[in-house]
Amino acid sequence: EAGVTQSPTHLIKTRGQQATLRCSPISGHTSVYWYQQALGLGLQFLLWYDEGEERNRGNFPPRFSGRQFPNYSSELNVNALELEDSALYLCASSLGSSGGRETQYFGPGTRLLVL
Amino acid sequence: AQSVTQPDIHITVSEGASLELRCNYSYGATPYLFWYVQSPGQGLQLLLKYFSGDTLVQGIKGFEAEFKRSQSSFNLRKPSVHWSDAAEYFCAGMNTGFQKLVFGTGTRLLVSP
Repeated sequence: EAGVTQSPTHLIKTRGQQATLRCSPISGHTSVYWYQQALGLGLQFLLWYDEGEERNRGNFPPRFSGRQFPNYSSELNVNALELEDSALYLCASSLGSSGGRETQYFGPGTRLLVL
Repeated sequence: AQSVTQPDIHITVSEGASLELRCNYSYGATPYLFWYVQSPGQGLQLLLKYFSGDTLVQGIKGFEAEFKRSQSSFNLRKPSVHWSDAAEYFCAGMNTGFQKLVFGTGTRLLVSP
């Protein structure tokens, strides 16, 4: 069974640009989560999508946004990039409201570098 | 506020020796608890989880963890460490229904020959 996949693996942008990160969940999973792992800040919850809707949001500014598509894949968009946005962005997925949603399985991450 | 604490930033263990990584949580009610492992440059792999019931849970790669309500702890153990266990280990908690994992700061495990 294929795990969570993320693309690209690495992304280099300059300040002020926009970044788009993509995630495909495990087959059968309907919930997708995004986390940021920045140096010195640890792992922080960003967003939770379930059945195409944003369900919960972490303490991040509005320039961090995303969406979930009908096939349950997801995009994370970061607008007006700042140097401190440089981090590993991890996507996770879980089963949906039918049960088992508590266990999140992670992808390999996208490393974003903002210059 | 909900929090998970891993008091040890680094731990060095000799190969073949036993291992215990500490994790304490602070939640209003008993959260769901997880241990994940991260190899350099990689994502997180789930080792084990505790929701309720038996307080000793078994995971993959020979790891186990014990939930102790009285100590608000969920320590990870392994009886004999292998060099391939060198990685960073994260403890995490989740309030039921909120789907937000709160992670500890991680413990980096070094395995000496």
